[in-house]
Amino acid sequence: KAGVTQTPRYLIKTRGQQVTLSCSPISGHRSVSWYQQTPGQGLQFLFEYFSETQRNKGNFPGRFSGRQFSNSRSEMNVSTLELGDSALYLCASSLDAANQPQHFGDGTRLSIL
Amino acid sequence: ELKVEQNPLFLSMQEGKNYTIYCNYSTTSDRLYWYRQDPGKSLESLFVLLSNGAVKQEGRLMASLDTKARLSTLHITAAVHDLSATYFCAVNTNAGKSTFGDGTTLTVKP
Repeated sequence: KAGVTQTPRYLIKTRGQQVTLSCSPISGHRSVSWYQQTPGQGLQFLFEYFSETQRNKGNFPGRFSGRQFSNSRSEMNVSTLELGDSALYLCASSLDAANQPQHFGDGTRLSIL
Repeated sequence: ELKVEQNPLFLSMQEGKNYTIYCNYSTTSDRLYWYRQDPGKSLESLFVLLSNGAVKQEGRLMASLDTKARLSTLHITAAVHDLSATYFCAVNTNAGKSTFGDGTTLTVKP
C-alpha cells in the first residue's frame, strides 16, 4: 500500500512569492492534516481537511490556506512568503477515527531567501 | 490552549541501560500517540494509547497512559544504538488534529 506522498520534496522561494504544496493521502484515508516543523517552534498544526471541508484549524495567519479535492488529495498554499515560513511542511492522513494514528509523508522542505 | 510537555528534551544513554521519557499534557484527553523521527526523515507511528491504564509494548519500547495524571511514559529497556532518534508524544483532541510535544532526542552510545 502506497504511503502518503508529498510533492515537491524541496522548494526554494523568495520573500513575497507564493507556493503550493501537494499531498496525496493513503488510499482510503479521508482526513488530511498539515503541520509545520521548525527547530524553534517544533511541530505545529496548520489545518485538517475531511471530505473537502476544513474541519480543524490551527493558529496561523490567513496567508496559509488549503483545500481538499474529491479524491482526498490536498494542497496547501502560502501567499506573500516571509523568511519565517522556512520550514518542513508535513502532511498526514488517517482513516478519520480517533483511535487511528496519523500517517506522515516525507514532507516538503521550503526555504525562503 | 492545550500544552504538551516532554522531558527530558535530550537524552544520552549507554547501550544496555534503561530510561523513561515523560509526556505531560494540560487538558483531558484519552488519545495519545508516540512517534519516532530519524534525522531528515518523517514521523513514524509507534504507539496509540486510547484509555486510562493503556500499556503497549514493541521490542525494547513500552508506552503507558495515565489519563488522571495526564501523563504518558515511554520506557526504553536495554537501549541499543538503533533506538537513537527523536521521539514525540502527541495528544489528540479532535480527529485529525494533534498537539505535539517538543520531542526528546535520544542518543544511544556504545
